[in-house]
Amino acid sequence: ILNVEQSPQSLHVQEGDSTNFTCSFPSSNFYALHWYRWETAKSPEALFVMTLNGDEKKKGRISATLNTKEGYSYLYIKGSQPEDSATYLCALATTGNQFYFGTGTSLTVIP
Amino acid sequence: EPEVTQTPSHQVTQMGQEVILRCVPISNHLYFYWYRQILGQKVEFLVSFYNNEISEKSEIFDDQFSVERPDGSNFTLKIRSTKLEDSAMYFCASRLRAPYNSPLHFGNGTRLTVT
Repeated sequence: ILNVEQSPQSLHVQEGDSTNFTCSFPSSNFYALHWYRWETAKSPEALFVMTLNGDEKKKGRISATLNTKEGYSYLYIKGSQPEDSATYLCALATTGNQFYFGTGTSLTVIP
Repeated sequence: EPEVTQTPSHQVTQMGQEVILRCVPISNHLYFYWYRQILGQKVEFLVSFYNNEISEKSEIFDDQFSVERPDGSNFTLKIRSTKLEDSAMYFCASRLRAPYNSPLHFGNGTRLTVT
């Protein structure tokens, strides 16, 4: 079992603040890194799939970077809004057909 | 947009009973998965399924568990004799292609409570 860690476990920010959190993974087993957003009472939804060292992806106010050599990815949210409140999960894709998920970062944006 | 659907949304069962959790993956997807999340813990891989057979399974997926795709649309997870520790949220997921850069599409989950 590969250990994928996310930090912090939870985060409370004020509306309008920018924030970021981390996903760490063993770099030796890397094929791709997925970020999912999971709102309460809904299913996890894919945000980004990152495969190359130095990759940077952006969707609106949310962006992510990837460092496969040191085994981490950052997710950034610029100007957080209450609708950004969710759990953000990262998942490491390895050979075969498996994904290893982190525990998630629970973000609460306070209006 | 097509989505993965799971039924029931909540299942309560007594220890030792059999349960079947149902999923309808997105129709043109080829790879199917079951994951579970015990309250407060990580999302854990159970099993992956492709071409009508299990392609990988985790240590959790022991002889009490089985999966089936009986009719080309449904994808079911059966737990033969439930234990208290099987209480969790069970998620079905599918994806179109195998490559690691193809994202998972999840259902809304079934909350299984074993009493």
